[in-house]
Amino acid sequence: DQQVKQNSPSLSVQEGRISILNCDYTNSMFDYFLWYKKYPAEGPTFLISISSIKDKNEDGRFTVFLNKSAKHLSLHIVPSQPGDSAVYFCAAGWGTGANNLFFGTGTRLTVIP
Amino acid sequence: DGGITQSPKYLFRKEGQNVTLSCEQNLNHDAMYWYRQDPGQGLRLIYYSQIVNDFQKGDIAEGYSVSREKKESFPLTVTSAQKNPTAFYLCASSVNNEQFFGPGTRLTVL
Repeated sequence: DQQVKQNSPSLSVQEGRISILNCDYTNSMFDYFLWYKKYPAEGPTFLISISSIKDKNEDGRFTVFLNKSAKHLSLHIVPSQPGDSAVYFCAAGWGTGANNLFFGTGTRLTVIP
Repeated sequence: DGGITQSPKYLFRKEGQNVTLSCEQNLNHDAMYWYRQDPGQGLRLIYYSQIVNDFQKGDIAEGYSVSREKKESFPLTVTSAQKNPTAFYLCASSVNNEQFFGPGTRLTVL
């Protein structure tokens, strides 16, 4: 049973525009959420996180929004750049220790120059 | 440079052979993890270790084994009992719920 879902396998956006990547989860125990970015043949790299006590966290061009009632989070990238083209994984966990971390299936973002 | 190294990047083995994937970290992290990634699926946890000489099964541990004799090292053995071993394997370590991943090893069993 997939507890973290990314329903869009791919997304294409024009350079300079906003990219919005979505993620849904089913487990109400999750209390922190992360986004990872992955280039081909490389391991994922941490991008941004948010805890369940917040509804927004911003880091430069990246903003994560959390809607707990809808069990939904999104990653906004503004403005999108060609170097942002990668696969983005959403992850959710609870407690301490990343052994309770669950990953979505990823969304491939392509930013068109 | 601090980080996680996995070797080799690509590995080919014949069916029925055991193979060991290397993972080393110099981040001084206590916790280390092995994940498997298949097309169209999220990362799935194989094994994790919170401390030296201790490790726990993840969601898909069958057909795999690990050891944690040193803090820096967490090798994964893919045994012949693993039915579908061809995959991309990622090692990670963590601190404060943030995980740091290695570059991965793509294992192909022929």
